[in-house]
Amino acid sequence: IQMTQSPSSLSASVGDRVTITCRASQTISSYLNWYQQKPGKAPKLLIYVASSLQSGVPSRFSGSGSGTDFTLTIGSLQPEDFATYYCQQTYSAPYTFGQGTNLEI
Amino acid sequence: QVQLQQSGPGLVKPSETLSLSCSVSGASVRGYYWSWIRQPPGKGLEWIGYISNTGSTNYNPSIKSRLTISVDTSRTQFSLKLSSVTAADTAVYYCARGETRLAYGMDVWGQGTTVTVSS
Repeated sequence: IQMTQSPSSLSASVGDRVTITCRASQTISSYLNWYQQKPGKAPKLLIYVASSLQSGVPSRFSGSGSGTDFTLTIGSLQPEDFATYYCQQTYSAPYTFGQGTNLEI
Repeated sequence: QVQLQQSGPGLVKPSETLSLSCSVSGASVRGYYWSWIRQPPGKGLEWIGYISNTGSTNYNPSIKSRLTISVDTSRTQFSLKLSSVTAADTAVYYCARGETRLAYGMDVWGQGTTVTVSS
């Protein structure tokens, strides 16, 4: 299953509301997770099952969607949110990732 | 607090076998899926495969013929072996814990091991 994120890169400012989109090449129900990765660090799970917020993740992060189209929204960007974001489907192995969205200041 | 500590060489010669281990502390290996993911320099994430505590595995078909993932429940450790490596296997390798409750989302990660394939 191919996962396509858009945009590939995004420039935004502190306080902005941003949305990242992930599209699957076939239906994946709600088996969609979102990760945040900062340079030199391991990814961090933000959202699982499309819309469930992982424990400890700020509530400004939210996810939605089902089937083939999904979104990650950051309600009000904070300085620590500038990073690369990946979606991943776990509906069918191999559990493919999107190519990533680089969120820049 | 659950932690994953990776170990293994950072340099592997072409055609040889890459071997990495991931030690689990603060939790049992039972009830979870233990995964490996890699990231080539400057590129995105690639899911390699997982093993459950019962020993069932699921591998990425792109490297399945060269891959072995195993788990040692008594030592709370799991391992990756990738044979016949080439320069294309150069990457940062991560181990991670997946859980069915999280739709196999990976909530705990190792620190990453940079592996370079070069003679």
